[in-house]
Amino acid sequence: AQSVTQPDIHITVSEGASLELRCNYSYGATPYLFWYVQSPGQGLQLLLKYFSGDTLVQGIKGFEAEFKRSQSSFNLRKPSVHWSDAAEYFCAVGRNTDKLIFGTGTRLQVFP
Amino acid sequence: DGGITQSPKYLFRKEGQNVTLSCEQNLNHDAMYWYRQDPGQGLRLIYYSQIVNDFQKGDIAEGYSVSREKKESFPLTVTSAQKNPTAFYLCASSIVGGNYGYTFGSGTRLTVV
Repeated sequence: AQSVTQPDIHITVSEGASLELRCNYSYGATPYLFWYVQSPGQGLQLLLKYFSGDTLVQGIKGFEAEFKRSQSSFNLRKPSVHWSDAAEYFCAVGRNTDKLIFGTGTRLQVFP
Repeated sequence: DGGITQSPKYLFRKEGQNVTLSCEQNLNHDAMYWYRQDPGQGLRLIYYSQIVNDFQKGDIAEGYSVSREKKESFPLTVTSAQKNPTAFYLCASSIVGGNYGYTFGSGTRLTVV
């Protein structure tokens, strides 16, 4: 069955610390992979996406993610977190005409 | 600028009443989607449409209805049959067969009073 798992429901980091949010997926073929961010009461904004090629992809707001086929993972990273990064983050997978499958999200809290 | 517009931002409904949430896009996307979001439950798909005059049920379609008479518009009606309609509703659109992911609206928060 196709699925996306975000193991961490809630993560707390200090401002300036590094961040890694985990995403694991189960899919029949290599899917297209996405990370979205959602501020409270807002819609989702696309941070970055992977389709093929270089397994390290860069996104907006200083985020990057690495696709690891052997581990079926697509973890999101940021070297230094800012207070404005506090939000909920969603990983999603899909391919071609398939509907995207979303994870349940990870809520990031940033302490000053 | 192209995008998705959801209206209203906040909506209050009395029990037993139907209410319609608006979703309009000017991105020329073929596919449109409705999601429901509750705390701790992520996004749950209600309905989606990949072409005008056609739509499919998602995972939680009971108590909801949609129409797709125009490419740009995909309104969602929350009927009185929906037992727990208070939630945040998100509309999205995409290119069918494309690699671009979804574009989301800013959401409508529905509260039953």
